Formats: sequence, structure tokens, C-alpha cells
Amino acid sequence: TQLLEQSPQFLSIQEGENLTVYCNSSSVFSSLQWYRQEPGEGPVLLVTVVTGGEVKKLKRLTFQFGDARKDSSLHITAAQPGDTGLYLCAGAHSGNTPLVFGKGTRLSVIA
Amino acid sequence: GAVVSQHPSWVICKSGTSVKIECRSLDFQATTMFWYRQFPKQSLMLMATSNEGSKATYEQGVEKDKFLINHASLTLSTLTVTSAHPEDSSFYICSARGERGYGYTFGSGTRLTVV
Repeated sequence: TQLLEQSPQFLSIQEGENLTVYCNSSSVFSSLQWYRQEPGEGPVLLVTVVTGGEVKKLKRLTFQFGDARKDSSLHITAAQPGDTGLYLCAGAHSGNTPLVFGKGTRLSVIA
Repeated sequence: GAVVSQHPSWVICKSGTSVKIECRSLDFQATTMFWYRQFPKQSLMLMATSNEGSKATYEQGVEKDKFLINHASLTLSTLTVTSAHPEDSSFYICSARGERGYGYTFGSGTRLTVV
């Protein structure tokens, strides 16, 4: 059962455009993590959000956790070709439970 | 920061043989290890969860006799794909979780190709 709905699954944009990726669930998570994955490599953690309504910025990336801790978004400003990759959201419940992953968003930024 | 070393990074094996994948936590004690499988252009799918010294808990549809998981120490967990077949070809990734304060640390993945 896929508990995290991530959209869009594919996104191809021109360099300089903005984009937003969404992650939605009917479940409440204790934290939500965003990863970026390159082909043939493991996911690399971008950010963890834990507080409802929390907003974190990482250079041109802005992450937001919903007030009810059921949804999150990733906004990229002025996308660059180097942003190309697979972006994954993953929710964590309390304790040593596994992360629940969204299906991922494959982003392609064209120069 | 926390690091998980996963080996091998890629392996090609003949159908019917077994392959062992290792994940080591280098600077923390991994009390729980999660094993994922990822097919091309798809997300990570959880295969099993293992706690140190206990039997692994497998997700529905994952054959425990085919995917043997050992977590005998706090720094090492292994996944053995037994009698591998071409449909087992995939990208396998481990993720370790340690004591309070440590998040989920991922290995770099193993690309398994069964020919």
C-alpha cells in the first residue's frame, strides 16, 4: 500500500523555471524527509521536517511541512540542469519503523 | 555524520547462484536495518526490517527463504539472494537506524544483474 502520494511523477522544464513537487498522505507522520537520488546511487538526504507548518530553505530549494503533518512540498526556484534527478519524499512514524516512500518525481531541467 | 558502507556496488552473477550484499555502519551502532529494492524508474520498495539479534520481518510478497537477512552484530547486516534468477535483477539498498538522535542512513546501493 502506497501511503504517500507524490506528484508529479515526471517533470521536464526549462532552465530558470520554478517548480513544486507535492507529497500527500492521509496519515500523520512524526517527520518527513526529502531525498535526491542519482542513477546507480543511494538516496541522499536533503532535509528533514518535523514540526507542522515548518519551512526550511536549502539554497534554491524550499521545503514545507503541512500544519497537520500529513503533507509536504518541495519548491525549486530558478531550476538549473544540475537539479536534474529523482526526488523522493519519505514519511517516518515514531520508533524504529521503516520510511514510507512516495513514488518519486523524476525532474529533468533542460538548458 | 553517520555513514553506511554497502558492498559490492555492482555484481553480475549466473542464474542459480547466490549473492551476498553487506551493509556496515561505520561510526554508529545500527540497531535496525531496512532493506529496499528499487526497479528502474521506480521508487524504493521495502523488503524487510531486521533488528540486531532478531529474525527479520519480511514485507508481504517477499520470500524469506530466497532473501536471507542476517543482522548478527550492531554494525553489520547482510542480504543474501539465494538461487538468483533474472527477475531478481534490481538495485538493492540498505538503510540503517541507530540510537536515539540518528536518522535513517542509506547505503550507496548494489546493482545486481542475474544472467
